[in-house]
Amino acid sequence: EDQVTQSPEALRLQEGESSSLNCSYTVSGLRGLFWYRQDPGKGPEFLFTLYSAGEEKEKERLKATLTKKESFLHITAPKPEDSATYLCAVRTPNAGNNRKLIWGLGTSLAVNP
Amino acid sequence: DAGITQSPRHKVTETGTPVTLRCHQTENHRYMYWYRQDPGHGLRLIHYSYGVKDTDKGEVSDGYSVSRSKTEDFLLTLESATSSQTSVYFCAVSRDGSSYEQYFGPGTRLTVT
Repeated sequence: EDQVTQSPEALRLQEGESSSLNCSYTVSGLRGLFWYRQDPGKGPEFLFTLYSAGEEKEKERLKATLTKKESFLHITAPKPEDSATYLCAVRTPNAGNNRKLIWGLGTSLAVNP
Repeated sequence: DAGITQSPRHKVTETGTPVTLRCHQTENHRYMYWYRQDPGHGLRLIHYSYGVKDTDKGEVSDGYSVSRSKTEDFLLTLESATSSQTSVYFCAVSRDGSSYEQYFGPGTRLTVT
């Protein structure tokens, strides 16, 4: 069964303390991995799409990387405004034209000043 | 910003009453989705649409129906609301073409008493 697992469930960092969030997937034939940020009371906000192992994308203090089994979201020198829940989703060949994604449960990140 | 609005943003209703949630988009996206988000379950797909009058079920469709008579509007109806349908509901859109990322609306918080 296709599955997406995110770890840790929750992470608390001090401002400036770099760390990584993990998204591991068990799908056959990945066709895209997506990272989102969700603030409390809001809808998820799209961050990155990764398609192939070795690919990297960056945005401000965030860098997403992809291997054949997992993706990491690296947060460098985080600030309190980076506090949010980070969601990972994947698309598999079985999605077909309906474009459905398989979602992880997210990592809740808190950055203390 | 994919120009997505949801209405109402908050609603309290009684068990057994029908409820309709509306998703409106301004950018002519072909694909539209309804999700519910609950603690411990993450985002779960209820129904999706791949064109006007073209809809299909997601993983948690029981008790829900949808309609899409215009490109810009996707309606979710709870035919007879139950307490288990208390949740936050998100609408999302996906652009046509090779990119599969989804863009989310602000959500509707529904409470069934």
